[in-house]
Amino acid sequence: AQRVTQPEKLLSVFKGAPVELKCNYSYSGSPELFWYVQYSRQRLQLLLRHISRESIKGFTADLNKGETSFHLKKPFAQEEDSAMYYCALIPQPGAGSYQLTFGKGTKLSVIP
Amino acid sequence: GAGVSQSPRYKVAKRGQDVALRCDPISGHVSLFWYQQALGQGPEFLTYFQNEAQLDKSGLPSDRFFAERPEGSVSTLKIQRTQQEDSAVYLCASSLARDRSNEKLFFGSGTQLSVL
Repeated sequence: AQRVTQPEKLLSVFKGAPVELKCNYSYSGSPELFWYVQYSRQRLQLLLRHISRESIKGFTADLNKGETSFHLKKPFAQEEDSAMYYCALIPQPGAGSYQLTFGKGTKLSVIP
Repeated sequence: GAGVSQSPRYKVAKRGQDVALRCDPISGHVSLFWYQQALGQGPEFLTYFQNEAQLDKSGLPSDRFFAERPEGSVSTLKIQRTQQEDSAVYLCASSLARDRSNEKLFFGSGTQLSVL
């Protein structure tokens, strides 16, 4: 079965400092990876997915199949980035599985 | 509507009581998911509907959990004889597509269930 590991429960950085939220996964095939974010008192929402290769709110994430990682990065943290971040995986698209597997989440706190 | 709507927002139940949690997805969304999120954990998959068909219920933790979506829109998650370990936030999510991998999920605010 697939698994997603986010090793940091809490990450605190100063405003303007670089941010890296770590995500490692275990899955034998070719998964699709996502980052979801939950701001205070808001719903869980999609931040980005690896197939889109997009940058959202300055965040990027690269899938490294060799290291089975999908770390989320931003060069300069902003106070409004403070939130709970979840890495998630779905098994090989089209294989008939619809289950998103989430990590336990990392709480990012940006210090002014 | 404004998004995925869940009710009630909070539910307190006595152990052994039955509860029903409602999810109103975004109009026209084909796919509907239920997730369970325990304190300090990420959401865990419970079940998946495509229209009215329940295609996957492998995540339901026991036969006390039952979900339905009879007309392919509103869904209800029912938990019979609640136990303390059922205490969690229950999240509903919907998406437009049948093919899960190509469409993002829209989550509701969740129902926080506390079993005393």
